[in-house]
Amino acid sequence: EVQLVESGGGLVQPGGSLRLSCVASGFTFSRYDIHWVRQSTGRGLEWVAAIGTAGDTYYSGSVQGRFIISRENAKSSLFLQMNSLRAEDTAVYYCARKYCSNSYCVYDMWGQGTMATISS
Amino acid sequence: QSVLTQPPSASGTPGQRVTISCSGSSSNIATNIVNWYQQLPGTAPKVLIYNNNQRPSGVPDRFSGSKSGTSASLAISGLQSEDEADYYCAAWDDSLVRDVFGTGTKVTVL
Repeated sequence: EVQLVESGGGLVQPGGSLRLSCVASGFTFSRYDIHWVRQSTGRGLEWVAAIGTAGDTYYSGSVQGRFIISRENAKSSLFLQMNSLRAEDTAVYYCARKYCSNSYCVYDMWGQGTMATISS
Repeated sequence: QSVLTQPPSASGTPGQRVTISCSGSSSNIATNIVNWYQQLPGTAPKVLIYNNNQRPSGVPDRFSGSKSGTSASLAISGLQSEDEADYYCAAWDDSLVRDVFGTGTKVTVL
């Protein structure tokens, strides 16, 4: 089955850390850019970070310097190390595959999401 | 936070046509393609329309997308109860250098 499955969410205090994982199956993981997109009640869908097929990384301004995205192609796995967490990082975190053709790009596959709650 | 603006809600009776707008700017919708995502209750988003007006296989032709200038629209014709969901537009933003999403529209079937 072609899918993405996230894990690693939970409850952590402000200033703490969480490591999210996303395992892919059913497709050649190494051939795709993979992104993290989060969704919180007050802020809707928000792009967080991305990693390209060559390992190049990109971050939104709100997480730059605190989050680290990485991948392990041999295990078809994506990670998001989240440090110095804040209450506003509370959200469901989705990993999403980005497919690009010559003329467009689209998030054509999403995981089911994992919830990260930052609260004391 | 969201760069693309959508109405918070839309509704219609079964069989009616519902249209959702997505307002952006010269740095996103005007110069880049628009995708639409459907999020059924309790599930992850899934692509509904890509490349402004293309439907993935399996998406009914009741759903259609269009774009003009700095705005885009999603139309649902022949509204059905299973269309109750949240709908989000999305586009690349050349100024922010990242994907941006709409504020989301909740569609209710009366």
